[in-house]
Amino acid sequence: GQQVMQIPQYQHVQEGEDFTTYCNSSTTLSNIQWYKQRPGGHPVFLIQLVKSGEVKKQKRLTFQFGEAKKNSSLHITATQTTDVGTYFCAGGDTGNQFYFGTGTSLTVIP
Amino acid sequence: GAVVSQHPSRVICKSGTSVKIECRSLDFQATTMFWYRQFPKQSLMLMATSNEGSKATYEQGVEKDKFLINHASLTLSTLTVTSAHPEDSSFYICSARGTSWDTQYFGPGTRLTVL
Repeated sequence: GQQVMQIPQYQHVQEGEDFTTYCNSSTTLSNIQWYKQRPGGHPVFLIQLVKSGEVKKQKRLTFQFGEAKKNSSLHITATQTTDVGTYFCAGGDTGNQFYFGTGTSLTVIP
Repeated sequence: GAVVSQHPSRVICKSGTSVKIECRSLDFQATTMFWYRQFPKQSLMLMATSNEGSKATYEQGVEKDKFLINHASLTLSTLTVTSAHPEDSSFYICSARGTSWDTQYFGPGTRLTVL
């Protein structure tokens, strides 16, 4: 079956440092979504990427979809304590089902 | 934005009992609802995909006789954990997708504890 891996599993950064999480799929994806889950909360949709090589920005967050549509990344510039949480990618297949990545837990040290 | 609710938010039950979890889309019609399970510090695992008016499609390894899913209307899907055991204790989250867009909207989740 489809596998979506994320690295790193955990990341601790000082406030103000940058952070990147990488998402890799075993199969070609039709699209990819990114979610943020705060401790004790439920996943909140951040963005969807559809096109090969697509790059989207949301303030300090930059999302990339690889040319082969098998990998993606989320980069946060100058992290803040409000960025704490687990970031999941979710790869969409042609049937529009999404398979979640393993997640990256971000801790921001003030 | 679209709102999805889940009820109950937390349930504790004895081993061997059945538990029903409701997932409702409050302000949109959801032709498709998804059920996920999340163990502590782990990712969300898709259990099944539920289309209104038809049988749910279960992921490999998920017992359809144990996790009964019903999607009788465009705003309601239910997950019944039958004869629950302690290993079924988990966080169950539903999501819903409308007819004209791909984004899933997640419910707040139900934490099930089986004693």
